[in-house]
Amino acid sequence: DAGVIQSPRHEVTEMGQEVTLRCKPISGHNSLFWYRQTMMRGLELLIYFNNNVPIDDSGMPEDRFSAKMPNASFSTLKIQPSEPRDSAVYFCASSLGLATNEKLFFGSGTQLSVL
Amino acid sequence: DQQVKQNSPSLSVQEGRISILNCDYTNSMFDYFLWYKKYPAEGPTFLISISSIKDKNEDGRFTVFLNKSAKHLSLHIVPSQPGDSAVYFCAARMSGNQFYFGTGTSLTVIP
Repeated sequence: DAGVIQSPRHEVTEMGQEVTLRCKPISGHNSLFWYRQTMMRGLELLIYFNNNVPIDDSGMPEDRFSAKMPNASFSTLKIQPSEPRDSAVYFCASSLGLATNEKLFFGSGTQLSVL
Repeated sequence: DQQVKQNSPSLSVQEGRISILNCDYTNSMFDYFLWYKKYPAEGPTFLISISSIKDKNEDGRFTVFLNKSAKHLSLHIVPSQPGDSAVYFCAARMSGNQFYFGTGTSLTVIP
């Protein structure tokens, strides 16, 4: 299995531009998570889906952030408009489900720089 | 509000010695705990886990200890190797719920 695939690996954009991050979870995994890594907060959960349905989006910073999961093999995280404070590494992760002993499998992340 | 805390941002250990990474949590409902290891420019990878019904789990050089009364867990690496140099994240969850991560501890193993 190829693991969780994220694209792009790096994104440099200017303030005010729209940014779309993409994720393909591991085949057969029913839960998908978007995290943001910062020095201050570590790995911060933004939103997670189960069976393509958003379960908890309380970690989404503000209305500029949105996430979709149109099918079991694809998810996007969109920032519009982007701001310099959004600069961080964004990780997508998937798990088989939400049972207690399930493990998260992470993608390699997208390094976002907003100038 | 951080429900999982790693109060040591960094740790340096000599090769061959023991590395001890600590983690504290606030929610007594957590029933599963995990450690992840992260190298630069890579995603975190699963290292070891422990259920709340246990107080110790061992896998090779890695042992995780859980003290539920103190809401504390630790990861022991013995002996430490230079390849263990990475950022280690502690995580906790309740069944059916999200994973809560700490801020990470950067371990450097000095040859």
